[in-house]
Amino acid sequence: EPEVTQTPSHQVTQMGQEVILRCVPISNHLYFYWYRQILGQKVEFLVSFYNNEISEKSEIFDDQFSVERPDGSNFTLKIRSTKLEDSAMYFCASSLSGGYSGTQYFGPGTRLTVL
Amino acid sequence: AQRVTQPEKLLSVFKGAPVELKCNYSYSGSPELFWYVQYSRQRLQLLLRHISRESIKGFTADLNKGETSFHLKKPFAQEEDSAMYYCALSGSRDDKIIFGKGTRLHILP
Repeated sequence: EPEVTQTPSHQVTQMGQEVILRCVPISNHLYFYWYRQILGQKVEFLVSFYNNEISEKSEIFDDQFSVERPDGSNFTLKIRSTKLEDSAMYFCASSLSGGYSGTQYFGPGTRLTVL
Repeated sequence: AQRVTQPEKLLSVFKGAPVELKCNYSYSGSPELFWYVQYSRQRLQLLLRHISRESIKGFTADLNKGETSFHLKKPFAQEEDSAMYYCALSGSRDDKIIFGKGTRLHILP
């Protein structure tokens, strides 16, 4: 069964550094998402992406964040200048259709630790 | 405000006993409700959703619009049900899913 994959599984970085988290969505899916979960807190929506543009973003997704689909398979989340509070588990998800009719399939997550 | 509340952080239930994981929501409109599950060291996966009205692994959930609840139930717990369970919602035009904080279900032998 096809799955969403994410690399790396764990990323450690210094505050102020740029990080890129990578995701390979399920191949025929058209909608892509990033969520994050700070330790002990709920999973929070960051951004959704469709047709090569952001379709929805949360208040968390400020100018420090960007997303890109650089080729036909990868979907990346970039954090330009990491802060301590960016430490979290970041989940990528993809779906065949959008809105609540589309089931979102999640990747295993990347644990980001900012020192 | 759009919100999902799961009042229990941890629920311990003996094997064979009934399970009920509580979920209440706040949303202006008619959301779709979901239950996601995360087994140990595995990814978040959809367990069931209201619109499909399925029973998955013996679990069911009934949407009560009057009480704005979507509690998850199973008549007889099994040890393999131990996991983290997240109630979630999405609006009809939304892409985003709003999650509750989750309830850890621990099935005692």
